[in-house]
Amino acid sequence: NSKVIQTPRYLVKGQGQKAKMRCIPEKGHPVVFWYQQNKNNEFKFLINFQNQEVLQQIDMTEKRFSAECPSNSPCSLEIQSSEAGDSALYLCASSPSGYEQYFGPGTRLTVL
Amino acid sequence: QQQVRQSSQSLTVWEGETAILNCSYENSAFDYFPWYQQFPGEGPALLIAIRSVSDKKEDGRFTIFFNKREKNLSLHIKDSQPGDSATYFCAASGNNAGAKLTFGGGTRLTVRP
Repeated sequence: NSKVIQTPRYLVKGQGQKAKMRCIPEKGHPVVFWYQQNKNNEFKFLINFQNQEVLQQIDMTEKRFSAECPSNSPCSLEIQSSEAGDSALYLCASSPSGYEQYFGPGTRLTVL
Repeated sequence: QQQVRQSSQSLTVWEGETAILNCSYENSAFDYFPWYQQFPGEGPALLIAIRSVSDKKEDGRFTIFFNKREKNLSLHIKDSQPGDSATYFCAASGNNAGAKLTFGGGTRLTVRP
């Protein structure tokens, strides 16, 4: 069973509001991924880190999305100005090697 | 363009039967193929995975059959149980550590008692 912790489990925001979610990866897992899963079960990769360094991110995350994985603190994903289309399940996964990815329960974001 | 495709959106089998979930992919650079099981309200759980150097991987009731030439793979769930009812996702990534996963659309499996 995955030991990735995500908080909060549910988040409700109005359009234009900031939304922030956190992830504590499994101990000993240096690689962290963020994905968005929409209501049609489509997954979109957002960003990943090895330790505190960004490995890869999509263009979208450079505009309204920001993420970080500081040492000795939870990783976080923040949407600066939420839009209705951002409503989705945000999944954090961690990996001991960069291959097998273990997901947390997700943060379900609803933008009204 | 869907890089990873699961041919069935849904599949129903009877308890005790073998459920077969199919997946195909387009990118020849894909090297690592995990299957995830997801229950409503939960995150995906890693079930079993295979690398492209192998053609079969077995773990208990779960077996992956992989055909590199045809670019397809299947997950066989032997002796299906009602508790196996979930959505199953096929995924793929390249051979570099830290590579993102590309997911299929999922197959919703229902196991009838």
